[in-house]
Amino acid sequence: GAVVSQHPSRVICKSGTSVKIECRSLDFQATTMFWYRQFPKQSLMLMATSNEGSKATYEQGVEKDKFLINHASLTLSTLTVTSAHPEDSSFYICSAQNRGRGTEAFFGQGTRLTVV
Amino acid sequence: QKEVEQNSGPLSVPEGAIASLNCTYSDRGSQSFFWYRQYSGKSPELIMSIYSNGDKEDGRFTAQLNKASQYVSLLIRDSQPSDSATYLCAVILMNYGGSQGNLIFGKGTKLSVKP
Repeated sequence: GAVVSQHPSRVICKSGTSVKIECRSLDFQATTMFWYRQFPKQSLMLMATSNEGSKATYEQGVEKDKFLINHASLTLSTLTVTSAHPEDSSFYICSAQNRGRGTEAFFGQGTRLTVV
Repeated sequence: QKEVEQNSGPLSVPEGAIASLNCTYSDRGSQSFFWYRQYSGKSPELIMSIYSNGDKEDGRFTAQLNKASQYVSLLIRDSQPSDSATYLCAVILMNYGGSQGNLIFGKGTKLSVKP
């Protein structure tokens, strides 16, 4: 399968600071990238969908000003958690899809964010 | 009706048995179906894809698709404790608001294989 690299894998930050998470597709062009959040023992929750060069589409209840998504190229999308608070602590996962090549999506390794 | 539905489980099977995981979807026009496996604390990994009615086999895994019934399943033969994970069904829905073509996940079924 295709490779999607997500960085960092773990991050601890202080409350009020911002954290940027990168998601890169290493061997294919990601026309669409998805960002998920997952709390312990819960299912994946889609936060937003981004198409290269377009503004992200956020799911209901997800604050676009708090979770900034940039998908400026076909191989890179970033999620920035702004003014992080302890309740933002979660497992954040990206996935990438190339609708031209196939329809499956491949996941990054995930980022475990802890806000103290 | 939710777009993609799975029984959350947990589904418990003894080692060596067949585990059967089921998924239903709402959009009759959907054409692409996937099964992902997620171990605790890890991100999901793709294990099977199926596009046509019938069975598709890959090692100990068999995906079954019935578009008329809007039903897709995953069978795991000779289940092993290492198969214990959450299995996510995913469907490309053709009619999902303004996001046609996006992959929509079910909430997953937790499988536990007992030694």
